[in-house]
Amino acid sequence: GDSVTQTEGPVTVSESESLIINCTYSATSIAYPNLFWYVRYPGEGLQLLLKVITAGQKGSSRGFEATYNKETTSFHLQKASVQESDSAVYYCALGDPNTGNYKYVFGAGTRLKVIA
Amino acid sequence: DPKIIQKPKYLVAVTGSEKILICEQYLGHNAMYWYRQSAKKPLEFMFSYSYQKLMDNQTASSRFQPQSSKKNHLDLQITALKPDDSATYFCASSQRDRNQAPLFGEGTRLSVL
Repeated sequence: GDSVTQTEGPVTVSESESLIINCTYSATSIAYPNLFWYVRYPGEGLQLLLKVITAGQKGSSRGFEATYNKETTSFHLQKASVQESDSAVYYCALGDPNTGNYKYVFGAGTRLKVIA
Repeated sequence: DPKIIQKPKYLVAVTGSEKILICEQYLGHNAMYWYRQSAKKPLEFMFSYSYQKLMDNQTASSRFQPQSSKKNHLDLQITALKPDDSATYFCASSQRDRNQAPLFGEGTRLSVL
């Protein structure tokens, strides 16, 4: 079946340092999956952070970016300089555009703690 | 203001009882979904409804029954509760359109004792 594997948390990073959260996927039943990063801040629901629907393209939002790499089946999340407000749980997910992209396969989530 | 409202935020139940998780969305979306996240597991897709009709069901147990009384409501009834049902249940919605990412509610954390 389809699956998503991401960096196991918690991940602790000092403010202004760089961040990378790894995400690799296996999409055996989806020819061209769409890839997503969601974020859940404390006390809130999941929010879409960024999405990329075309292999080779990069998505970016709020200083985060991720590139859809079909060769390595990866979609790593990066940020050059994190802030305390980035502390949250980050989820990588894949969706099937042929079914409307609602039946996501999620990774387990990576809890990020940014310390001052 | 939250556009997807889930009630209650926290719920404690005893084994064998029945509970209903409420979800309302005020985004004008025509499709709604339920996901579940058990401890240390990824979010798992459960159901999808479009125009108040069941479109997809990935939940093996009939103890989980979605109920849609209005097009912007999708409640989740769970009967004969078990401790393994303890999880956070997330409601989501979207326009039934390709490539649109669903928006999620804050979740209902259910604990079954």
